[in-house]
Amino acid sequence: GNSVTQMEGPVTLSEEAFLTINCTYTATGYPSLFWYVQYPGEGLQLLLKATKADDKGSNKGFEATYRKETTSFHLEKGSVQVSDSAVYFCALSAYNTNAGKSTFGDGTTLTVKP
Amino acid sequence: GAVVSQHPSRVICKSGTSVKIECRSLDFQATTMFWYRQFPKKSLMLMATSNEGSKATYEQGVEKDKFLINHASLTLSTLTVTSAHPEDSSFYICSARGQGYEKLFFGSGTQLSVL
Repeated sequence: GNSVTQMEGPVTLSEEAFLTINCTYTATGYPSLFWYVQYPGEGLQLLLKATKADDKGSNKGFEATYRKETTSFHLEKGSVQVSDSAVYFCALSAYNTNAGKSTFGDGTTLTVKP
Repeated sequence: GAVVSQHPSRVICKSGTSVKIECRSLDFQATTMFWYRQFPKKSLMLMATSNEGSKATYEQGVEKDKFLINHASLTLSTLTVTSAHPEDSSFYICSARGQGYEKLFFGSGTQLSVL
């Protein structure tokens, strides 16, 4: 079956530091890959996505590149802010082969200190 | 962008009572809705998948009779926690997807506390 493995947290960084959260996946077919962000007490929001190999998703300074050869979709940001503190989930969706269910990683908690 | 509204955001109830959580897609037709449970500092656990007009498909280990899901229209799905007990206390989140869309739109979640 499909699975997503992401870097264990928590991750604590100082403001303006570089962020990397690793994510690797296993899947049948050709999945789309997503990063979602969850702020305290809220649901998840889509941060960025990539639908095919070598695509780069980007939003709000965050980036992730779909690497088929390494089955990875690592999240990066060059300079984090306190407001980026949240839980980040890597996910995949194999719409045509898995009834549209998404598979989520366990989440990585990021805390950015001023 | 698409919006999914989930209510209530927080509910406190007595043990043995039932609680209904609503999930509405406000500007698109949600052909499929998903219900998740999230424990503190844990990932989302998919509970069930519901398609409009048909019975929900529950994940292994999820009690159908305890977590009743209704998806009677293309814009509304409900989750009813029947005879709630303290161990049912959790954060419940819905998500919705329209026909042909891969992206999921999430509700803002419901924090259920059973006393």
